[in-house]
Amino acid sequence: AQSVTQPDIHITVSEGASLELRCNYSYGATPYLFWYVQSPGQGLQLLLKYFSGDTLVQGIKGFEAEFKRSQSSFNLRKPSVHWSDAAEYFCAVRNTGFQKLVFGTGTRLLVSP
Amino acid sequence: DVKVTQSSRYLVKRTGEKVFLECVQDMDHENMFWYRQDPGLGLRLIYFSYDVKMKEKGDIPEGYSVSREKKERFSLILESASTNQTSMYLCASSSTSGLGSNIDSGNTIYFGEGSWLTVV
Repeated sequence: AQSVTQPDIHITVSEGASLELRCNYSYGATPYLFWYVQSPGQGLQLLLKYFSGDTLVQGIKGFEAEFKRSQSSFNLRKPSVHWSDAAEYFCAVRNTGFQKLVFGTGTRLLVSP
Repeated sequence: DVKVTQSSRYLVKRTGEKVFLECVQDMDHENMFWYRQDPGLGLRLIYFSYDVKMKEKGDIPEGYSVSREKKERFSLILESASTNQTSMYLCASSSTSGLGSNIDSGNTIYFGEGSWLTVV
């Protein structure tokens, strides 16, 4: 069965510093991978997605993620964090032939001044 | 832009009540989903639907049912609410266009803003 692991429950980053959120997945074939962000009390907004091709994908709000098949990872990065990036971030995976998303447990990002 | 609307953002219900959570999408999507979100557990799929009047159980269907009488609307029903169903519920939708074909576009799933349900 598919699964997603986000090993960091909380991460605190200083404003202006770089950010990397970790995501590892378990799936036999090449999965479809997603990163979503959730601001407090809100629904989920898609940041970026990987289906195939270039393993470095660009998303909204200055985020990017890199798919590494050998490490079964899809880590999210941002070179300079802004206070408005404080939110919860979810990594998700799904089969190529099905629509169901399997989510990680999320990483809460705190941004310090 | 795709819009998934959950009509009730905040509800407080009593134990044993029947609860309806409504979700409407405006993009003619075939697929609709109900997820439940709890701290430390992420999002878990309750039910999903690939077409009108069709439904499939997700990972945690116990205590829930769903209804999809029209393509744009997907309702989650708690037949007899219990305190352990206090949670945030998220509705989502997606298109099947291209899915499974040689040109599988891997369609994105779009979420509503969530419904906070408290059962007392």
